[in-house]
Amino acid sequence: AQSVTQLGSHVSVSEGALVLLRCNYSSSVPPYLFWYVQYPNQGLQLLLKYTSAATLVKGINGFEAEFKKSETSFHLTKPSAHMSDAAEYFCAVRANTGGFKTIFGAGTRLFVKA
Amino acid sequence: NAGVTQTPKFQVLKTGQSMTLQCAQDMNHNSMYWYRQDPGMGLRLIYYSASEGTTDKGEVPNGYNVSRLNKREFSLRLESAAPSQTSVYFCASSETPISTDTQYFGPGTRLTVL
Repeated sequence: AQSVTQLGSHVSVSEGALVLLRCNYSSSVPPYLFWYVQYPNQGLQLLLKYTSAATLVKGINGFEAEFKKSETSFHLTKPSAHMSDAAEYFCAVRANTGGFKTIFGAGTRLFVKA
Repeated sequence: NAGVTQTPKFQVLKTGQSMTLQCAQDMNHNSMYWYRQDPGMGLRLIYYSASEGTTDKGEVPNGYNVSRLNKREFSLRLESAAPSQTSVYFCASSETPISTDTQYFGPGTRLTVL
């Protein structure tokens, strides 16, 4: 069984500050992990994914995430927030043993203050 | 290249009415998915189609049916709408059903059942 927990339904940062969005997963098999971003009234867009290669994954728009097996975490970071980063972010997990089920976290809404 | 398109964008139904949500992709993808998004719950898989000619239940299939009309199109039908089906519905596609493949999402259909 798999699950995803995103800590904090809302995160607020100032423009230029570090962005840290937390994601912890539970999986009985080695996981593949994803971060998606959703802008208002749009579908989800893939930011980055971990597929068991490098544990530090770089994505689009300056985001990156580090897979830490010992902590069962896959936190999303960006060194300097931009106003355009304001959106909802979803962490997701998928089993690497096949199957089609992607388990999504509840989402974290990021607010960026000027 | 429009990606994944969905129609309609918005719909209001009365309890007991039926409707079909349409989805089409122009990326020549083999796999297609229907999700629903509810506040605080992330996305949940309703049905998926690993390839043309096949469909399978996801996490929350009750009250829905699907049709993979051809490789491009995957429709979702609500036979007798209920207020519990008020949600935002997203269609997605991926090149193959393997776990590492990126899913591409449509813009969503916002459905209200009164």
